[in-house]
Order: sequence, then structure tokens, then C-alpha cells
Amino acid sequence: DTGVSQDPRHKITKRGQNVTFRCDPISEHNRLYWYRQTLGQGPEFLTYFQNEAQLEKSRLLSDRFSAERPKGSFSTLEIQRTEQGDSAMYLCASSHPVGQGANGANVLTFGAGSRLTVL
Amino acid sequence: GNSVTQMEGPVTLSEEAFLTINCTYTATGYPSLFWYVQYPGEGLQLLLKATKADDKGSNKGFEATYRKETTSFHLEKGSVQVSDSAVYFCALSGPRGSQGNLIFGKGTKLSVKP
Repeated sequence: DTGVSQDPRHKITKRGQNVTFRCDPISEHNRLYWYRQTLGQGPEFLTYFQNEAQLEKSRLLSDRFSAERPKGSFSTLEIQRTEQGDSAMYLCASSHPVGQGANGANVLTFGAGSRLTVL
Repeated sequence: GNSVTQMEGPVTLSEEAFLTINCTYTATGYPSLFWYVQYPGEGLQLLLKATKADDKGSNKGFEATYRKETTSFHLEKGSVQVSDSAVYFCALSGPRGSQGNLIFGKGTKLSVKP
């Protein structure tokens, strides 16, 4: 297993265009998370899935954002009608079911991220 | 709601200096606490964790102790190396059995000079 993979690593787009990011989690992890990180800030939670079910969405996830995990494996995050304020690093992470990590702590393994620049 | 506050950086140290990065938290119940590290051009990596009060997490010479009485989880290393230059994030999650998503601090950038 090569860890959490994200694609593309970099995306430059014009305002108003749609973009889609893909995340391939660690195969035995059933939880998958999306975070957003802007310059000088810590990652901010967007949403997470347990298998194919999207269980929680942050208020940061406006209606222009949609995430899917149709077969409980890879996930996509789509941003429609991008705005300059969407420019950020989009991070994906995966984990074992809560309570099954070492000592029960929910340890997230992160991908390298997909950097979005909206011109 | 739950939150994490880290000391602001950047922190610049000479090699072999002692490092402390302060982290305090606000949370209901008994969260798990983490330090993640982000090396230049790489993704976040778990550095260490602690799941209950008085636990000490340690890895690669770094240590942090879960202090419930002071709601703190300060990161320390006795002798830093140039290779420790990175951004360090303190984070918390809910207690065992909770949702599991992490809340991060803003990060502290550490630069170690030879």
C-alpha cells in the first residue's frame, strides 16, 4: 500500500470553472476525510465518509462543493463555479474505524494534498 | 466548541537547541491529542499522540504530555536538528467512540539553522 493518494497535485483554473479532485485512501481504511488548508492556517475539516455514507459536513462546505464516495473506496471532491477564495490546499485523509487504531485513538493518514489556484 | 491554540511562529533555533512549542486546548469530555508535522512539500504526518490524561507521547526524540489540569499538550525536544525544520500542528479529536475528525491549531513553523 502506498498510502493516501491525491490527484491532481496542482490545479490552476479560472474563476467560474468547475474542478474535481480525487482521493484514493489506504485500502483497509473505511473512513475518509476532506480538509482544506489555506496559507498560514491549520487544516479545516470539510466532510467525512464512513464507507460510502457521508456522515458529516462542515459549514465550510457551501452548496458549490460536493463530495462523493460511491463505492466506499476512492472519493471525489468537486467545486463548481470556483471563486478566488477557493484557492487552497485540499487534503484527504483516511483512517480505521474509530476505536480500532492503536489505543483507540483515531489516527488519520493524510495525502500530500491537491493545491488549487483560482485566477 | 472544541479548539486548539498554538504558540505563533516562526520559531528559529540553532542546531542542538532545546525546543518547546506550546499547545493548549478547549474541549468537552476527554479528547485525544496529537502532534502532526508537515515537512516542506510533503503531507501531514503523525508525530505523536496521547489518548488520556498524563499519557506521554513520544517519537523521534519529541515528547508531549497530556496535562488535563492545564489543558495543555506542549511539544518538546531536547536537541533539534536541521532535519526537524517543518511546520508542527497540534490537534485534538473527540474521545474514543466519537466521530474522529481532527481539529487543528494554526501551526508553528520551526527553522533550525546549522
